[in-house]
Amino acid sequence: GENVEQHPSTLSVQEGDSAVIKCTYSDSASNYFPWYKQELGKRPQLIIDIRSNVGEKKDQRIAVTLNKTAKHFSLHITETQPEDSAVYFCAATNNNDMRFGAGTRLTVKP
Amino acid sequence: DSGVTQTPKHLITATGQRVTLRCSPRSGDLSVYWYQQSLDQGLQFLIQYYNGEERAKGNILERFSAQQFPDLHSELNLSSLELGDSALYFCASNSASVSNEQFFGPGTRLTVL
Repeated sequence: GENVEQHPSTLSVQEGDSAVIKCTYSDSASNYFPWYKQELGKRPQLIIDIRSNVGEKKDQRIAVTLNKTAKHFSLHITETQPEDSAVYFCAATNNNDMRFGAGTRLTVKP
Repeated sequence: DSGVTQTPKHLITATGQRVTLRCSPRSGDLSVYWYQQSLDQGLQFLIQYYNGEERAKGNILERFSAQQFPDLHSELNLSSLELGDSALYFCASNSASVSNEQFFGPGTRLTVL
């Protein structure tokens, strides 16, 4: 089955700096890669996703890149703000079960 | 609000007991997924149902079982509970014919004492 690894587990940045979170996956059949943001005690919420036929996608301050050959994808957050502080999860799926990375706790210091 | 509902919100029970968690997917979604999230841990995929049939199985213990009913709501049954089963249990739903995006419910927090 799919195995997703996520790094780093914790990330602390100064407000206004960029943050990058990286994930690798094992199943070459995976074709959908979402990123979820989870605030303490709340449900995970989708912030951006990318499909395997696309190399990069951007939505305002958030971007995701995908390298199918290397089986890795990354989340980039620019101009970070304190409200970006949360746990971020990457995931990969081949249309059935979705496997999540272990999460990255991002702290943005004002 | 994602449109996915879960009940109860909180559940406190004792070791050895059995509980049932309930999930109602978004209107029109045929797939339901169950996840377990222990304290400060990631989301562990448990099981997926599609239109009443089991579609995929993850790290679900034999003490746990699930089903999806004709009206598409789903129940996760946890039996012979242990302290380590204390966790947030999320269900999510989607309509794969439209999008792979999964919409999560608010979760059920289970505490086993």
